Amino acid sequence: AQTVTQSQPEMSVQEAETVTLSCTYDTSENNYYLFWYKQPPSRQMILVIRQEAYKQQNATENRFSVNFQKAAKSFSLKISDSQLGDTAMYFCAFMTSIRGGATNKLIFGTGTLLAVQP
Amino acid sequence: DGGITQSPKYLFRKEGQNVTLSCEQNLNHDAMYWYRQDPGQGLRLIYYSQIVNDFQKGDIAEGYSVSREKKESFPLTVTSAQKNPTAFYLCASSMDILSEQYFGPGTRLTVT
Repeated sequence: AQTVTQSQPEMSVQEAETVTLSCTYDTSENNYYLFWYKQPPSRQMILVIRQEAYKQQNATENRFSVNFQKAAKSFSLKISDSQLGDTAMYFCAFMTSIRGGATNKLIFGTGTLLAVQP
Repeated sequence: DGGITQSPKYLFRKEGQNVTLSCEQNLNHDAMYWYRQDPGQGLRLIYYSQIVNDFQKGDIAEGYSVSREKKESFPLTVTSAQKNPTAFYLCASSMDILSEQYFGPGTRLTVT
C-alpha cells in the first residue's frame, strides 16, 4: 500500500528566509503524481505545486519549488523569500497515474505546520 | 466566479440524527470527492464519484452515504451509524480522476 510520511510536525522560519519541508513516500508503482497542498488558518486547501513522476525536471511555481528524488522516494518543498501569508499547514500527497488502479485517489501525509515569524 | 461551494460552514446536530452536507461546483468537473479531516491527521477519503450516477467507497465510507444525480452536486449524508461524526469535512473536484483536485472551504460538523 502507498504511504506518505511527513516527519516534521512543526517548523518555523523568519520572514524572507528559505525553508524546506520534507516528504517521503512508499510505492511500488513507476508512474504517479505528487502534490503539495497548503491549508492556512481559513482551512481552505490550496494546491501549491504538482510533479509528475516521469518528469526529471523539478516543478517550480514562483517562490515554491520541489526537490524530487525518485530513487529515494523523496519529494521536498522549498519556499523561498518566506512571507507571513505562507503560515499554514502543508500537506504532501501522492496519487497513482494508472487509470482504474486501486488507488485513483490522493493519499495525504499528516502535514507540517509552518510558522513564518516577522 | 468558478469554484466549489460547501454549506453551511458550521453545522451542529444531536446524536442520532442524520445530516446532509452540501457540495456544489461550477467548474464543469467530472470527478468529485469527500474527505474527512481530524486533528493531527491528514485527509481521509470517504467517497468519490468519477461521473454522474456513479460513486465509489473510499477508505472510511462506513456511516456515510452520497448521491451524484447532477454533475454539479455531490451531497454527503452523515448517518446515525457513523460512530464519531464530529470532524471537518472537505469536498473536492477534478476534471477527471487523474487530474489535480481543487477543494471547497469545508464544513465543520459538531455532533453532541
